[in-house]
Amino acid sequence: AQTVTQSQPEMSVQEAETVTLSCTYDTSESDYYLFWYKQPPSRQMILVIRQEAYKQQNATENRFSVNFQKAAKSFSLKISDSQLGDAAMYFCAYTRSTSYGKLTFGQGTILTVHP
Amino acid sequence: KAGVTQTPRYLIKTRGQQVTLSCSPISGHRSVSWYQQTPGQGLQFLFEYFSETQRNKGNFPGRFSGRQFSNSRSEMNVSTLELGDSALYLCASSLGRGGLNEQFFGPGTRLTVL
Repeated sequence: AQTVTQSQPEMSVQEAETVTLSCTYDTSESDYYLFWYKQPPSRQMILVIRQEAYKQQNATENRFSVNFQKAAKSFSLKISDSQLGDAAMYFCAYTRSTSYGKLTFGQGTILTVHP
Repeated sequence: KAGVTQTPRYLIKTRGQQVTLSCSPISGHRSVSWYQQTPGQGLQFLFEYFSETQRNKGNFPGRFSGRQFSNSRSEMNVSTLELGDSALYLCASSLGRGGLNEQFFGPGTRLTVL
């Protein structure tokens, strides 16, 4: 079974600084996708960034970027120039290309941003 | 375009009762997935519906069921409620199936079982 592990229950960062959230996963599949979702206090899950396993290039979305290490099964999220609005629970998620509709989530990391 | 809507937003039930939750996907989206979120177990996949058929199912007892209508709206039903069913239930819709299709989440239904 595929598993996703986020080893940092909580992280904090100063506004305008950079923070990296860690995620590792376990799978025997070669074709899969990885995601980072943000869940603010409103509980609305929002997709932050996604990575296709077959792509070697790390995905980037504005201030958010990932470090995808396929051999190590590692998928970390880097948030640059942190803003107060980045404070939320962040979930790493995995899906196989054939696991239709099913995301497997990590336990989440609570990110606090200090002004 | 309106986002995913879920009704009701909050629900209080007692043990043994049953409950039905509703999810309206984004217009044009045909896949609807349901998740249960609890502090202890985190986010767990319940099932996915596409074209009115359940296509994928998580490891939940048969008390959890669902259906999808021709307009892609979906309902989830939990029978014989237990205290452990207290959770935030999230639904997500996507345009198609397959891993690259982004899942858009609704605000959730908070179910409390007393």
